[in-house]
Amino acid sequence: QQQVKQSPQSLIVQKGGISIINCAYENTAFDYFPWYQQFPGKGPALLIAIRPDVSEKKEGRFTISFNKSAKQFSLHIMDSQPGDSATYFCAAGESGNTPLVFGKGTRLSVIA
Amino acid sequence: DTAVSQTPKYLVTQMGNDKSIKCEQNLGHDTMYWYKQDSKKFLKIMFSYNNKELIINETVPNRFSPKSPDKAHLNLHINSLELGDSAVYFCASSQAMDIQYFGAGTRLSVL
Repeated sequence: QQQVKQSPQSLIVQKGGISIINCAYENTAFDYFPWYQQFPGKGPALLIAIRPDVSEKKEGRFTISFNKSAKQFSLHIMDSQPGDSATYFCAAGESGNTPLVFGKGTRLSVIA
Repeated sequence: DTAVSQTPKYLVTQMGNDKSIKCEQNLGHDTMYWYKQDSKKFLKIMFSYNNKELIINETVPNRFSPKSPDKAHLNLHINSLELGDSAVYFCASSQAMDIQYFGAGTRLSVL
């Protein structure tokens, strides 16, 4: 019940295309859903996060879509750029109670 | 000013040795963590400390011992290193288990 399932494991997208990464969770107590971006040789860094009171959150080219009834959330990267090439992790947690549970990561490659 | 800093960045050592990794955060957070990232990039939580007290200890060999002298520091000591300990170890911190801020990682190679 603590797992967060992330797919795909790897993704290759043409420059200018849309990258979509999906995550699913089981624990209905989760109320915080962040996405982390990790470049090679660096630690994961918070990219964007959503709470279940909204169904979508957009920051620049990055959008989180959240479906509470399906217990799914996804990251959309519009107009993907080579500089977006990184590993992306979704995560879920209960604010103030337990540490985040991370998905297994998606390695995104954006090719020109 | 680096928010979460880890030292060393690289650590190469022989099997059977004992080594330590240090972590310091200057964010004033009350919770710190250690994660292990394997070659497949999977992030696995090892320990979590809240105000110097251990609150999470996942299934980790007891060769791994965290030490928190104060809430800004969480060090990781590893005894009798094994080949399978080779990985990147990340320290992170958060306030009340919210957004986690990660260090740059320590790449441990056991030969």
